[in-house]
Amino acid sequence: GQNIDQPTEMTATEGAIVQINCTYQTSGFNGLFWYQQHAGEAPTFLSYNVLDGLEEKGRFSSFLSRSKGYSYLLLKELQMKDSASYLCAVRDRTNQAGTALIFGKGTTLSVSS
Amino acid sequence: SAVISQKPSRDICQRGTSLTIQCQVDSQVTMMFWYRQQPGQSLTLIATANQGSEATYESGFVIDKFPISRPNLTFSTLTVSNMSPEDSSIYLCSVQFTDTQYFGPGTRLTVL
Repeated sequence: GQNIDQPTEMTATEGAIVQINCTYQTSGFNGLFWYQQHAGEAPTFLSYNVLDGLEEKGRFSSFLSRSKGYSYLLLKELQMKDSASYLCAVRDRTNQAGTALIFGKGTTLSVSS
Repeated sequence: SAVISQKPSRDICQRGTSLTIQCQVDSQVTMMFWYRQQPGQSLTLIATANQGSEATYESGFVIDKFPISRPNLTFSTLTVSNMSPEDSSIYLCSVQFTDTQYFGPGTRLTVL
């Protein structure tokens, strides 16, 4: 099975940098995803890591260490609109669903002025 | 990316009835998934639906309660059968396109 852990809530101020951590345990790791979800909306894709290292995409970066079962999402120059839930998800090739993503409980980020 | 639409966007239903949710994709995709998101919770995978084969259900979900159809590579339906208030949730269709999984806008279901 899988176990995915991330903090429940985080707060930050506009312009700051925040790092959201995710640890996972899985037997057939095949990629880690980060999604952003605003209240009442569907999740939107942010990033995908399958190899170790940092992936940078504008203000958002995602890091993966497969040996440590660890990832983080880094958000720079925070804006009020970044207030949302951030979902860490793992693809496990041994899951009976094959390539479906299994999600953590999500981290609710609140950005204040 | 893939563009996904769902119908209905929301519904209020009486207990004991059934609701069928439709998912349409603008591209042909092999893998389609159905998730549930209960209030204040993260996403839970219900089943995987591949065209031409029976849906694969996750632990805790059964075909009699959540029958799924996948008649072609752009369309799927999920039926929530014999509903109870515990089925009140957002149901999301998702597809894998290239290496990424994309989500539809969801169907918000309330069961009275």
